[in-house]
Amino acid sequence: EVRLVESGGGLVKPGGSLRLSCAASGFAFNNAWMNWVRQAPGKGLEWVGRIKSRADGGRTDYAAPVKGRFAISKESSKNMLYLQMNSLTTEDTAVYYCTTDLNAAGWFDPWGQGTLVTVSS
Amino acid sequence: SYDLAQPPSVSVSPGQTARITCSGEKLVSKYACWYQQKPGQSPVLVIYQATKRPSGIPGRFSGSTSGNTATLTISGTQDVDEADYYCQAWDTTSVVFGGGTKLTVL
Repeated sequence: EVRLVESGGGLVKPGGSLRLSCAASGFAFNNAWMNWVRQAPGKGLEWVGRIKSRADGGRTDYAAPVKGRFAISKESSKNMLYLQMNSLTTEDTAVYYCTTDLNAAGWFDPWGQGTLVTVSS
Repeated sequence: SYDLAQPPSVSVSPGQTARITCSGEKLVSKYACWYQQKPGQSPVLVIYQATKRPSGIPGRFSGSTSGNTATLTISGTQDVDEADYYCQAWDTTSVVFGGGTKLTVL
């Protein structure tokens, strides 16, 4: 069974940093493209960014609102995905989901349960 | 604003057919997929590559595409189908979601 479990969310002050983690199991983590998607309270889904598999160059892509502030990385030996978030603003308050694109074909299945990040003074 | 446009809400009576559209330039050359999200839950993939249904998704869910518009159809809508639905597309450097459609089963 494919499973994704996020952790690391919490309350952080504007301008602060936070690192989210996603523990993956049940699939070939090395071969998968991994994504982060967020959802602000009462709002829709917003793609944050992705990291491609090593075979596809391991490239990262980011949405415009987070480019230069957020960084996605993988620790393949531990089947772990990370999202390093810096220079946080109140606009970054959201539930952050880890999700996988197993076939590098553009759809996400499954999703983790999400972890809440609240940016507030 | 979103690159993929969805109606904010759609209402349907139980047993009737619900159709949710998603329009955008990205859909001309890329397949859409659809997610269902119920309150307090994570999104669930219901349609991928515009028309394919993952295992475990009921047969009443179907997808179609024409030009720059993708459509999610729920035939014989049930109360349990009341949820938010999001379309999504992607290209070589980014992924985009539609704004979401709240499906109400009256």
